[in-house]
Amino acid sequence: AQSVTQPDIHITVSEGASLELRCNYSYGATPYLFWYVQSPGQGLQLLLKYFSGDTLVQGIKGFEAEFKRSQSSFNLRKPSVHWSDAAEYFCAVGALMDTGRRALTFGSGTRLQVQP
Amino acid sequence: EPEVTQTPSHQVTQMGQEVILRCVPISNHLYFYWYRQILGQKVEFLVSFYNNEISEKSEIFDDQFSVERPDGSNFTLKIRSTKLEDSAMYFCASMGQVSTDTQYFGPGTRLTVL
Repeated sequence: AQSVTQPDIHITVSEGASLELRCNYSYGATPYLFWYVQSPGQGLQLLLKYFSGDTLVQGIKGFEAEFKRSQSSFNLRKPSVHWSDAAEYFCAVGALMDTGRRALTFGSGTRLQVQP
Repeated sequence: EPEVTQTPSHQVTQMGQEVILRCVPISNHLYFYWYRQILGQKVEFLVSFYNNEISEKSEIFDDQFSVERPDGSNFTLKIRSTKLEDSAMYFCASMGQVSTDTQYFGPGTRLTVL
């Protein structure tokens, strides 16, 4: 069965500092990988996704993620964090169902705090 | 930009009562999903729905749960007889084309069962 691990429950960074959120997945086939962000009281907003091709994917709000098959990782990065980036971040893998479509399996999330 | 909406934002109910959570997916989307997140736990897949029938469901989605698309816009999740452990945030998601494989989520409904 597929699984997603986000080792860091809570991360605090200073505004302007760089950020890397870790994500490791377990999935038997080629993974479809996603990062979502959830601000307080908001839904899950898609930041970026990887299906195939270039292993470095760009997303919204200046985020990027790199797929590394050898490490089963899909870490999220941002070169300079803004106070508005404070939120909870979820990594997910899209697992293929019998219907040919995918259901998302999520990690437990990483809560990001940004210090002024 | 089109978005998924959910109502109510917060529902409080007594154990054993029926609740209906409502979602309005993005208008031209064809695939619909419910997920839930118990406080402090992961977001979990419940069910997917396409062409007016359930496509897939998880082991969580037992006989107490049902989904329906009663008209061209709404997508509902019904819990027949709520239990304390049903307290969670319930997220609806929709997807346009299979080829995009990208689900767009609503803001969620927080269900509290007393």
